Amino acid sequence: EPEVTQTPSHQVTQMGQEVILRCVPISNHLYFYWYRQILGQKVEFLVSFYNNEISEKSEIFDDQFSVERPDGSNFTLKIRSTKLEDSAMYFCASSERTGSGSPLHFGNGTRLTVT
Amino acid sequence: AQKITQTQPGMFVQEKEAVTLDCTYDTSDPSYGLFWYKQPSSGEMIFLIYQGSYDQQNATEGRYSLNFQKARKSANLVISASQLGDSAMYFCAMREGQQGGSEKLVFGKGTKLTVNP
Repeated sequence: EPEVTQTPSHQVTQMGQEVILRCVPISNHLYFYWYRQILGQKVEFLVSFYNNEISEKSEIFDDQFSVERPDGSNFTLKIRSTKLEDSAMYFCASSERTGSGSPLHFGNGTRLTVT
Repeated sequence: AQKITQTQPGMFVQEKEAVTLDCTYDTSDPSYGLFWYKQPSSGEMIFLIYQGSYDQQNATEGRYSLNFQKARKSANLVISASQLGDSAMYFCAMREGQQGGSEKLVFGKGTKLTVNP
């Protein structure tokens, strides 16, 4: 079964450094998302992306975050200057379409640790 | 107000028994979808089952079924014949709106299920 793949599985970085989290969505999916889960807390929406632009973002997704689809397969999340509170599991997801009936398929996540 | 409420932080069940994980939701949108995801200790999020607001019948997927009570705004997950591998966090989530509407999935806080041998 096709799946969403994320790399790396674990990233350790120092505060203030830039990180790029990478994702390869399911190939026939058109909608892409980033979510994060701070340890022990619920999963939070960050951003959705369609047709090469952001379609929706949360208040968490401030100027330090950016997303990009640099080629036909990868979807990246960049955090420009990491803070300690950015430590979390970051999930990429994709779906075939929008609408209430379309499930999101998640990758295995990247655990980001900011020291 | 919370969009998705999961009132059971932890649940225990004996292997081979059935268990119900509770989920209530809050929306004024007539079109919405309810999803359950499983998160094992390894961290990945696994889609289990979906129920649409207009679906007449309760969704079922293998050992998973969804007890959908629209008037009560509840969408409880029932796992039959529990297995040790079912031990995980379970998240209820909702997506509102028609196609082209809001795209985000809103999650509850989760229920940690432990299956005892």
